[in-house]
Amino acid sequence: AQSVSQHNHHVILSEAASLELGCNYSYGGTVNLFWYVQYPGQHLQLLLKYFSGDPLVKGIKGFEAEFIKSKFSFNLRKPSVQWSDTAEYFCAVNALEAAGNKLTFGGGTRVLVKP
Amino acid sequence: EAQVTQNPRYLITVTGKKLTVTCSQNMNHEYMSWYRQDPGLGLRQIYYSMNVEVTDKGDVPEGYKVSRKEKRNFPLILESPSPNQTSLYFCASSLSPSPYNEQFFGPGTRLTVL
Repeated sequence: AQSVSQHNHHVILSEAASLELGCNYSYGGTVNLFWYVQYPGQHLQLLLKYFSGDPLVKGIKGFEAEFIKSKFSFNLRKPSVQWSDTAEYFCAVNALEAAGNKLTFGGGTRVLVKP
Repeated sequence: EAQVTQNPRYLITVTGKKLTVTCSQNMNHEYMSWYRQDPGLGLRQIYYSMNVEVTDKGDVPEGYKVSRKEKRNFPLILESPSPNQTSLYFCASSLSPSPYNEQFFGPGTRLTVL
């Protein structure tokens, strides 16, 4: 079975600082990779996804992520954060061989951006 | 507007009192699933449904039931809730069971079992 680890549980930074959130997964087969964001009191929204091709993917709101297959990693980055980026971020994978469209999530990283 | 809706959004109940959380989507999606979100654990899948009358267990199905009698609805049933089922629950849907389809999430239901 696949598993996902997010190493930072909480991140606090100031506006305009750069953000990088780590994500590593464990699975021997082929996976699709996702980052979701959950703003306070809201449902999950898809930030970006990787299926194949260019390992550097760009998503909404200025976020990007890089898939490094040799490291089983899919780290999320944003060069300059804003106060409105305060949210919880979840990395998720689904295994192409698994039944259905099941997402396996990491534990999440709470990001607080101070104005 | 294309969306996934859940009701109720908040629920406080007592141990053993049966409850149902409804989930409905208006996108004609085949695939629906339920997740629970607990601090530090992310979201874990409870049950999923590939299509009408086709349901199967996810990673944490104990204490839950589901049904899929219509394509748009996928209710989550707790026959005898216990305090360890206190959690935030999300329903999700996607066009098909393909792992290439984006999943859309509902607004969540915060359940407290006393």
